[in-house]
Amino acid sequence: DAGVIQSPRHEVTEMGQEVTLRCKPISGHDYLFWYRQTMMRGLELLIYFNNNVPIDDSGMPEDRFSAKMPNASFSTLKIQPSEPRDSAVYFCASSGQVKNIQYFGAGTRLSVL
Amino acid sequence: LAKTTQPISMDSYEGQEVNITCSHNNIATNDYITWYQQFPSQGPRFIIQGYKTKVTNEVASLFIPADRKSSTLSLPRVSLSDTAVYYCLVGEWNYGQNFVFGPGTRLSVLP
Repeated sequence: DAGVIQSPRHEVTEMGQEVTLRCKPISGHDYLFWYRQTMMRGLELLIYFNNNVPIDDSGMPEDRFSAKMPNASFSTLKIQPSEPRDSAVYFCASSGQVKNIQYFGAGTRLSVL
Repeated sequence: LAKTTQPISMDSYEGQEVNITCSHNNIATNDYITWYQQFPSQGPRFIIQGYKTKVTNEVASLFIPADRKSSTLSLPRVSLSDTAVYYCLVGEWNYGQNFVFGPGTRLSVLP
């Protein structure tokens, strides 16, 4: 398996623009997680899904952030409108039934100017 | 959620054994201890997980005393490529105890 695949690897956009980050989890994994990493706040869990259903979105910072998982092989994290403080590395991870063992993608480095 | 405390940084030399200790005084009965490794510009990678006593795999060993209030990750004979941030995590997702990534320990392996 190719592992968790995220795209794009880098995204540079201007404040106010819509940003969509994409993730393909490992085939057969039931859980998908979105994290954000910054120097100031470290690695934070934003939301996670089980069998395509959002389970816990308490980490989503505000209504500008939304995540969907239309099927077992694809998820998106959308920021609309984007702000400079959203600049961070966004990671997607997936796991099987043992959620403590998560497999992370390479991340998307987002820069909002 | 169990709070963890680990050193912010450590230095070592190639070929040495490195031990990183993590304190988790309020660990719950159902909590597991999980360690991840993160290289620069990469996502975290699972290293090892344990509940009590000792666990060993091809990458590392994890030592957990009987009271489970601390744990030690042991990396045998480190190389330059082991330079990374190591995170100690305590929790059990299946019991609603999602673990939280702290600042981790930044290990620098010197030649």
